[in-house]
Amino acid sequence: AQSVSQHNHHVILSEAASLELGCNYSYGGTVNLFWYVQYPGQHLQLLLKYFSGDPLVKGIKGFEAEFIKSKFSFNLRKPSVQWSDTAEYFCAVNGGGYQKVTFGIGTKLQVIP
Amino acid sequence: EAGVAQSPRYKIIEKRQSVAFWCNPISGHATLYWYQQILGQGPKLLIQFQNNGVVDDSQLPKDRFSAERLKGVDSTLKIQPAKLEDSAVYLCASSETRSVTGEQFFGPGTRLTVL
Repeated sequence: AQSVSQHNHHVILSEAASLELGCNYSYGGTVNLFWYVQYPGQHLQLLLKYFSGDPLVKGIKGFEAEFIKSKFSFNLRKPSVQWSDTAEYFCAVNGGGYQKVTFGIGTKLQVIP
Repeated sequence: EAGVAQSPRYKIIEKRQSVAFWCNPISGHATLYWYQQILGQGPKLLIQFQNNGVVDDSQLPKDRFSAERLKGVDSTLKIQPAKLEDSAVYLCASSETRSVTGEQFFGPGTRLTVL
């Protein structure tokens, strides 16, 4: 069975600080990896995804994530956060057929102006 | 492009009552998902449809939860009878079957409170 572990449950940063959110997954086969974001009062939306090719994936709003297969990791990064990045971030993995996705517990990011 | 629609947005019921949620996926999306998101946790898949057939309902509490997707478009999720621990946000999502990445598009969710 596939599983996802997010290490930081609540992160508080000042504007312009760098961000890295950890994500590790457990699955024996080929995986697709995702980061979803939920801004306050809004619904879940895709931030970025990896399914093949370059392990460094760039997403919207300056976010990027690196897939390191040997470490089963897919950490999310942003060099300089903004107040508008305050949201909850979910790492997710999709392995096997029929596109079943398993989500992590989520990380709440609070950016202080 | 219209997104995934869900209704109602909020529902408050007493335990042992029944409740139903409705979802209309993005047009042309063959795959539909229902998730349960309890406060402080990530979304948990309850059931996944491919057109009008169920492909995964392993985490659906079948003694009280049921779901259907007639005609392969809209879907309803029902809880009967509800328990206190069913208080959660119920999310509907859809995806294109042909998408190799499995990207899902989510609706706004229905927040259920069971008293």
